[in-house]
Amino acid sequence: NAGVTQTPKFQVLKTGQSMTLQCAQDMNHEYMSWYRQDPGMGLRLIHYSVGAGITDQGEVPNGYNVSRSTTEDFPLRLLSAAPSQTSVYFCASSYSRRENQPQHFGDGTRLSIL
Amino acid sequence: AQSVAQPEDQVNVAEGNPLTVKCTYSVSGNPYLFWYVQYPNRGLQFLLKYITGDNLVKGSYGFEAEFNKSQTSFHLKKPSALVSDSALYFCAVRDGNAGKSTFGDGTTLTVKP
Repeated sequence: NAGVTQTPKFQVLKTGQSMTLQCAQDMNHEYMSWYRQDPGMGLRLIHYSVGAGITDQGEVPNGYNVSRSTTEDFPLRLLSAAPSQTSVYFCASSYSRRENQPQHFGDGTRLSIL
Repeated sequence: AQSVAQPEDQVNVAEGNPLTVKCTYSVSGNPYLFWYVQYPNRGLQFLLKYITGDNLVKGSYGFEAEFNKSQTSFHLKKPSALVSDSALYFCAVRDGNAGKSTFGDGTTLTVKP
């Protein structure tokens, strides 16, 4: 059981470039989400999905797109990278969206935008 | 809207001493509260969660949390701190509608030998 796997672990982009952050889980979890972590600001929710084919916006969705074509995968796309998107990105999953379910996190993608 | 607050950016304790990391919450209905720990260059790991009716919740690695409804608090505690407990700790609340979680800003715990 690999849990939640994120790739790449590190990435440097130039302003205006696009890229996709990959996230896969092998626990058959319905619920998946993307967060960004910035110093002193905790984790902020970007997008989330309650099941395959269903996505919705979180707290800070601008500049990001997601899709959920399978239960296992939940990629995050940066459309046109900006320096303000320099951050550490975490993908998380849980068995369901029920409020008593803890989330399982990947080890993050550290992204720098120059 | 739900929210959590961690009033201390940093907590320092000596090894062997008890530790407390504070969290207060604000929710409109029943609270569903969690503590997570993050080690350097790693993702968050689940420590424990509040189960309705249990004012003292036990979790992983000897940690426990005390729920106080009147003070709307959910403080993380450990009777005897270890140097290996040094990490970043997050309190979180999860809603019952879309399952969205809201995290505190985190508290850095440093345990000195």
